[in-house]
Amino acid sequence: GAGVSQSPRYKVAKRGQDVALRCDPISGHVSLFWYQQALGQGPEFLTYFQNEAQLDKSGLPSDRFFAERPEGSVSTLKIQRTQQEDSAVYLCASSFSGARVRINEQFFGPGTRLTVL
Amino acid sequence: DAKTTQPNSMESNEEEPVHLPCNHSTISGTDYIHWYRQLPSQGPEYVIHGLTSNVNNRMASLAIAEDRKSSTLILHRATLRDAAVYYCILRDRGSGNTGKLIFGQGTTLQVKP
Repeated sequence: GAGVSQSPRYKVAKRGQDVALRCDPISGHVSLFWYQQALGQGPEFLTYFQNEAQLDKSGLPSDRFFAERPEGSVSTLKIQRTQQEDSAVYLCASSFSGARVRINEQFFGPGTRLTVL
Repeated sequence: DAKTTQPNSMESNEEEPVHLPCNHSTISGTDYIHWYRQLPSQGPEYVIHGLTSNVNNRMASLAIAEDRKSSTLILHRATLRDAAVYYCILRDRGSGNTGKLIFGQGTTLQVKP
């Protein structure tokens, strides 16, 4: 079966450009997470959706970062006015249940590698 | 959130068992112990999780100390494809947690042929 997919896999942006990163979770998965992974570091949580509701955005580093999941399936992470420090791999993960989200397995996509010049 | 401590790196020979340790001395009663691994250029993948009892699945075994302050991920026969960063993560099943994973630095496992 299809896993979590992300597009594009690689994105190069000039400083100041806006970018949009897409995540297609596993069909039927209620929970969706975004993580940011800097080079040589572990992933860091950005935001969490349960269906279309964004229940936790405590990890978003600034108001330039915005995420949405309007129909409770596909999600988009948007970064406005990109800066060099935004260069990282952006990972999306989905999980089947909302009720057991605190312990259920998360399925990760391959990530989008963003390079800001 | 309770923290975990893992060695930065470990080496193993192919087809030998590997024991990856994790210390979590501040673990609470509602914390599950999860392990994920991340192969090069891929997203993390779930390996195993447990609460109190030792657990086995097709990928690995998880041995949990009686006082739950430490655990060990056991790969019974390491292969070259097991070379990855292994993360030990505590997940609170309490209502205050949205289920996000808090990754540390993990242990980079090298497998030598």
